[in-house]
Order: sequence, then C-alpha cells, then structure tokens
Amino acid sequence: KAGVTQTPRYLIKTRGQQVTLSCSPISGHRSVSWYQQTPGQGLQFLFEYFSETQRNKGNFPGRFSGRQFSNSRSEMNVSTLELGDSALYLCASSLEANQPQHFGDGTRLSIL
Amino acid sequence: KQEVTQIPAALSVPEGENLVLNCSFTDSAIYNLQWFRQDPGKGLTSLLLIQSSQREQTSGRLNASLDKSSGRSTLYIAASQPGDSATYLCAVKDSSYKLIFGSGTRLLVRP
Repeated sequence: KAGVTQTPRYLIKTRGQQVTLSCSPISGHRSVSWYQQTPGQGLQFLFEYFSETQRNKGNFPGRFSGRQFSNSRSEMNVSTLELGDSALYLCASSLEANQPQHFGDGTRLSIL
Repeated sequence: KQEVTQIPAALSVPEGENLVLNCSFTDSAIYNLQWFRQDPGKGLTSLLLIQSSQREQTSGRLNASLDKSSGRSTLYIAASQPGDSATYLCAVKDSSYKLIFGSGTRLLVRP
C-alpha cells in the first residue's frame, strides 16, 4: 500500500511569489492535515480537510490556504511568500479522527 | 490552550540500555495520543497510538503508557539499538481534531 506522497520534495521561491504544494493520501483515507515545521516553532498545525471540507484551521494568516479534491488529494497554497515561510511542510492522512496519522516526507520550501 | 512538553530535549545512551521518554500535556480532554519518530530530513513515522480510553500500547520493543488524569505519557524503549537514534515526538489530538506536538526528544544510541 503506497504511503502519503508529497510533491515536490524541494522548492525554492523568492519573496512575493506564491506556491502550491500537493499531497496524495493513503488510498481510502479521507482526512488530510497539513503542518509547518521550523527549527524555532517546531511542528504547527495548519489545517485539516475531511471529505473536501475544511474541518479545522490553525493560527496562520489567510495567505495560507488549502483544498481537497473528490479523490482526497489535497493542495496547499501560500501567497505573497515571506522569508519566514521557509520550512518543511508536512502532510498527513488518516481514516478517521481517532485513527493514526501517517505522514509524507514533506516539501522543503526555501524563500530567497 | 493545549500545550505539550517533552523531557528531556536530548538523550544519549549506550547501546542495550532501556530508556524512557516523557511527554506531558495541559488539557486532559484529548481524543488520543500518538508517538512518532523523525529521522533527519524525513517525515514522521507513526510508532504507537493510544486512544483516550486506553492505558498503554505495545509494539515490539516499544511500550507507550497514558495517564490522562495527570496529563502524562511515557514511551519506553527496551534494549536500545543505534538504529533507534532519531527525534521522538509526542502529539495529542485535542477536542477540535487538531494534533498538537511537543518539541521532541533527540535520542542518540551509542554503539
């Protein structure tokens, strides 16, 4: 069974640009969550989608947005990139809320 | 606001030693608690999940316990091996389905 797949693995952007990250969950998983990991702040919850609906959102500005498609694949978009957005962005999927979350290897985003 | 704390921040032990990693959380209203390991430059690997109604879970050399009333969980690793070297993260799923992470314990198992 394939795991969670995130693309691309690495991305370099400049300030002011926008970026879209993609996540394909484990087959059958309907919940997809996104996290930002930085050395200073650790792992922080961005948002969760379940059956194409955003079920929860963390404390991030509106520049961070996401969506989920009918096949459960999810995308995360960050607009007007800032230097502080440099981070490892991790996606996780699960069957239901009380089931384990399984993570992809992440997308490392660097802002120049 | 739920806060998760992991102690110690770093740990170095000789191969073969048994060890305990600690995790504490401030709000006992949780759905579950999950332990992960993270290798450098990689994502997180799920190790054990304990539902809020459970007291412990075991997988191989790993045993995780949960005391919800005191807001504590421990991860016990038996007979540690160099391959166990990684960062171990504890996370609680709160009542709004958010997964709240601790800052992790960096474990080094010396050959």
